[in-house]
Amino acid sequence: AQSVTQPDIHITVSEGASLELRCNYSYGATPYLFWYVQSPGQGLQLLLKYFSGDTLVQGIKGFEAEFKRSQSSFNLRKPSVHWSDAAEYLCAVGAYGNQFYFGTGTSLTVIP
Amino acid sequence: DVKVTQSSRYLVKRTGEKVFLECVQDMDHENMFWYRQDPGLGLRLIYFSYDVKMKEKGDIPEGYSVSREKKERFSLILESASTNQTSMYLCASSLSGTRTYEQYFGPGTRLTVT
Repeated sequence: AQSVTQPDIHITVSEGASLELRCNYSYGATPYLFWYVQSPGQGLQLLLKYFSGDTLVQGIKGFEAEFKRSQSSFNLRKPSVHWSDAAEYLCAVGAYGNQFYFGTGTSLTVIP
Repeated sequence: DVKVTQSSRYLVKRTGEKVFLECVQDMDHENMFWYRQDPGLGLRLIYFSYDVKMKEKGDIPEGYSVSREKKERFSLILESASTNQTSMYLCASSLSGTRTYEQYFGPGTRLTVT
């Protein structure tokens, strides 16, 4: 069965520090992988996506993610976090039939 | 830019009321989705539609129904609202094709049932 695990419920980092959010998936075929960001009380905004090809993908707001098939992971990274990055981050795998399976999210707090 | 709009940002209803949540997308997407989002449970799919008048049950369809009479509009209906349906409801849309396309989300409706 398809599933997505985000092991970290909450992460706190200092402004300017680097960030890595973990995402592990379970899916039998080639996965379509996505990261979304959700600001408080808002809908989800797409940060980046992976379909095929280069395993390091660049997204908006300076984020990148690396697909590692051997580890079934798609971790999100940012070299230097800004206070405005504080939000909920959700990883998703897109399955056959256009259904998505979401992780439970990681809440990011940024300390000034 | 794709735009997905939802009829209300906040809604308060009483137990037993019939509730309609409306979603409209302006990008001619074939697929539309309704999710609910609860703390610690993430997003759970209620229903989705891949074409006008077509619908498929998601993971938690009980207590909900949907309607898609026009391509751009997808409605979620709570036939008799209950307190356990208090939640954030998110609508999304996507293209349909040979691969899985990204979903675009509306701002959400926070529904409180008292």
